[in-house]
Amino acid sequence: GEDVEQSLFLSVREGDSSVINCTYTDSSSTYLYWYKQEPGAGLQLLTYIFSNMDMKQDQRLTVLLNKKDKHLSLRIADTQTGDSAIYFCAGRGNQFYFGTGTSLTVIP
Amino acid sequence: EAQVTQNPRYLITVTGKKLTVTCSQNMNHEYMSWYRQDPGLGLRQIYYSMNVEVTDKGDVPEGYKVSRKEKRNFPLILESPSPNQTSLYFCASSLSASYYGYTFGSGTRLTVV
Repeated sequence: GEDVEQSLFLSVREGDSSVINCTYTDSSSTYLYWYKQEPGAGLQLLTYIFSNMDMKQDQRLTVLLNKKDKHLSLRIADTQTGDSAIYFCAGRGNQFYFGTGTSLTVIP
Repeated sequence: EAQVTQNPRYLITVTGKKLTVTCSQNMNHEYMSWYRQDPGLGLRQIYYSMNVEVTDKGDVPEGYKVSRKEKRNFPLILESPSPNQTSLYFCASSLSASYYGYTFGSGTRLTVV
């Protein structure tokens, strides 16, 4: 399958910004995605970016895509305790492929 | 409510005892898929189905079977479970193979002893 890498853990203080990074190998994905998994739950689509875009902003979320470096990032502004979850980067070539997930812990 | 429903949520079984995890979606989605989630490995695709009677292997199909006799249902079958199949399993569906989003079930935590 495709290779998608993420850091496993990230801790931030409440109110700070969080940046979750992802690198991928498949350059054919039309869309790239961020999914959120809360404890005991399935994955929920947070946001996505079309491959011909560099940036997408959606309220507190900013997605940056650097196609040259095959790097995707998710910035969460004013991080809240409710943002504590595992975040998965994903792409879609012939099939969906997911990163290993980054566990975000927000410290009050 | 549009959803993907998996059952059971939790299952403990013994090595070699056949089991089935059910998955049902009510959104008339063509595409369905099974994943397993393991710490540090993320989600790995087991099998997927593009439509009724069309199934194909994902990245880790060994030890699993699936069927797609109806559009809404996509059961995952473990004919002879082994401890290395202890994992968290997710079913997901999408309008089509090229549609942008997936809807996930809540997961099935399977322990094989």
